[in-house]
Amino acid sequence: NAGVTQTPKFQVLKTGQSMTLQCAQDMNHEYMSWYRQDPGMGLRLIHYSVGAGITDQGEVPNGYNVSRSTTEDFPLRLLSAAPSQTSVYFCATQRGGREQFFGPGTRLTVL
Amino acid sequence: GENVEQHPSTLSVQEGDSAVIKCTYSDSASNYFPWYKQELGKRPQLIIDIRSNVGEKKDQRIAVTLNKTAKHFSLHITETQPEDSAVYFCAASKDTGNQFYFGTGTSLTVIP
Repeated sequence: NAGVTQTPKFQVLKTGQSMTLQCAQDMNHEYMSWYRQDPGMGLRLIHYSVGAGITDQGEVPNGYNVSRSTTEDFPLRLLSAAPSQTSVYFCATQRGGREQFFGPGTRLTVL
Repeated sequence: GENVEQHPSTLSVQEGDSAVIKCTYSDSASNYFPWYKQELGKRPQLIIDIRSNVGEKKDQRIAVTLNKTAKHFSLHITETQPEDSAVYFCAASKDTGNQFYFGTGTSLTVIP
């Protein structure tokens, strides 16, 4: 089992460009989440999903879109990248038993 | 929404000593409190968790205590080793959703 995978591992964008961060899981977990991690600020929730077809906003959703068409995939879209979106992005999954499993992360730099 | 505060932000201890990290939360409905360890360049990984119906939980050198009345919980690491050096995060969530609120992290350094 691959667990939780994220692609790409690294990405550099120019201001105004758009891109999609991919997250996939083979654990059959119903819950999936996207976090961003910035120095000194911990992990902040961007968007989350409680199942296919259901998504909701977290603490810092502005500038990001998500969709959940399947249980396995939960892509995060940056609509028009800004330098403030430079961060490390983690996808996480969990079953109802609460433990979260994190993907390896995507390091994004916006110039 | 929930607000989780974590202290200290940095902590240095001698190998073999104990380390304690403290977190407070604001939402009395929160009932699940995990602790994550994150090594440099790696993903966060769960090391221990506690639910609100339990006051203390222990796993070898690691223990977590919870005081629901005061809304705070703590991580205790005994007999620290250099491989315990990492950033530790606390978090809080409720059974009614899967929103986790994280503390800002504690960078622990164990000096050999």
